[in-house]
Amino acid sequence: EPEVTQTPSHQVTQMGQEVILRCVPISNHLYFYWYRQILGQKVEFLVSFYNNEISEKSEIFDDQFSVERPDGSNFTLKIRSTKLEDSAMYFCASRPGTQPGANVLTFGAGSRLTVL
Amino acid sequence: QKEVEQNSGPLSVPEGAIASLNCTYSDRGSQSFFWYRQYSGKSPELIMSIYSNGDKEDGRFTAQLNKASQYVSLLIRDSQPSDSATYLCAVSLGYKLSFGAGTTVTVRA
Repeated sequence: EPEVTQTPSHQVTQMGQEVILRCVPISNHLYFYWYRQILGQKVEFLVSFYNNEISEKSEIFDDQFSVERPDGSNFTLKIRSTKLEDSAMYFCASRPGTQPGANVLTFGAGSRLTVL
Repeated sequence: QKEVEQNSGPLSVPEGAIASLNCTYSDRGSQSFFWYRQYSGKSPELIMSIYSNGDKEDGRFTAQLNKASQYVSLLIRDSQPSDSATYLCAVSLGYKLSFGAGTTVTVRA
């Protein structure tokens, strides 16, 4: 069964450092997403990406965050200068479309980011 | 007002019983509704999707949607210990899929 793959599974970084989280969405999907989940809290939408541009972003997704699809398969989330409060599980997800019946979101296993 | 609200848990049910989970959403334009299951430390996995009013059954799971009331529910029949997890209601509008805070279900053997 096709799956979304994420690397690394766990990253520990120092406050102020840059972090790049990587994702390979399902190959025939067109819409790509990043979500985050702080320990014990809800799954929060960060950003959606379609046709090589951001289609929607949340208030959390400020200037410290950026996304990129550098080639035909990878989708990355960059955090420019990490803060303690960025510690969370980051989920990449993708879906084939947005219309009912073709819009099921499939999640990767997640990348746990710990900022010290 | 929160976009997606779920009934507060945790919910504890005996094995073999029915677990009932509720969810309301704020945006009347929402068209697609999902229930995901999340085990501790894992990613959400889809249980059910529902797009039109009424019931949809898949094995031991039944989802119900009432767009007029902006209400979605999930019933888990014959609950098993392996059903112990957090259940997330998710609502789609345009590009975005918004999640509720989840209801944690514990099935007692």
